[in-house]
Amino acid sequence: GESVGLHLPTLSVQEGDNSIINCAYSNSASDYFIWYKQESGKGPQFIIDIRSNMDKRQGQRVTVLLNKTVKHLSLQIAATQPGDSAVYFCAEYSSASKIIFGSGTRLSIRP
Amino acid sequence: DAGVIQSPRHEVTEMGQEVTLRCKPISGHDYLFWYRQTMMRGLELLIYFNNNVPIDDSGMPEDRFSAKMPNASFSTLKIQPSEPRDSAVYFCASRAAESSPLHFGNGTRLTVT
Repeated sequence: GESVGLHLPTLSVQEGDNSIINCAYSNSASDYFIWYKQESGKGPQFIIDIRSNMDKRQGQRVTVLLNKTVKHLSLQIAATQPGDSAVYFCAEYSSASKIIFGSGTRLSIRP
Repeated sequence: DAGVIQSPRHEVTEMGQEVTLRCKPISGHDYLFWYRQTMMRGLELLIYFNNNVPIDDSGMPEDRFSAKMPNASFSTLKIQPSEPRDSAVYFCASRAAESSPLHFGNGTRLTVT
């Protein structure tokens, strides 16, 4: 990975509101993107993925949007819950081994 | 499936000692990756295997680090001798195919004093 994570950006959201986490990716040739959730003391956990031939994909309470024009990826979480508190990483696949992880965003939920 | 299993969960050792981290990938996954995570550098790829063969080890910091995959269900990452700057969380991940998600274990937190 090529991420730097000394100071993670933090998103603070009121419980029940929607969360939007953004990610800029680096390689216009990347064709597969994944969002991961990492809770304290655990490994990154797969949330949702999207291929470059799509611009939107929905899962349960989560939506990923891909804008290839500006190389931007976002993760939307509907009705944010306390259990959504974690660090969220985007990852881009630019080749079989070249998986680049973003630096991560910490999502904090206010009661 | 139990997911990717790593051991130990925590390892505390003194500088100069040998450390061996272990990983059991998800059954049927042909790819295995070793990552290191620190606050300063985030997730760094160390090495990955395809069908038990090391494909890219360019991320291995130096000769003190070595990794093996003797069979499809087991891999080790060894550090000899260990140094305090090796302190980090080491993750193993596996995936079924080239364009499929990585599945991570819960990591080994290594502290070298």
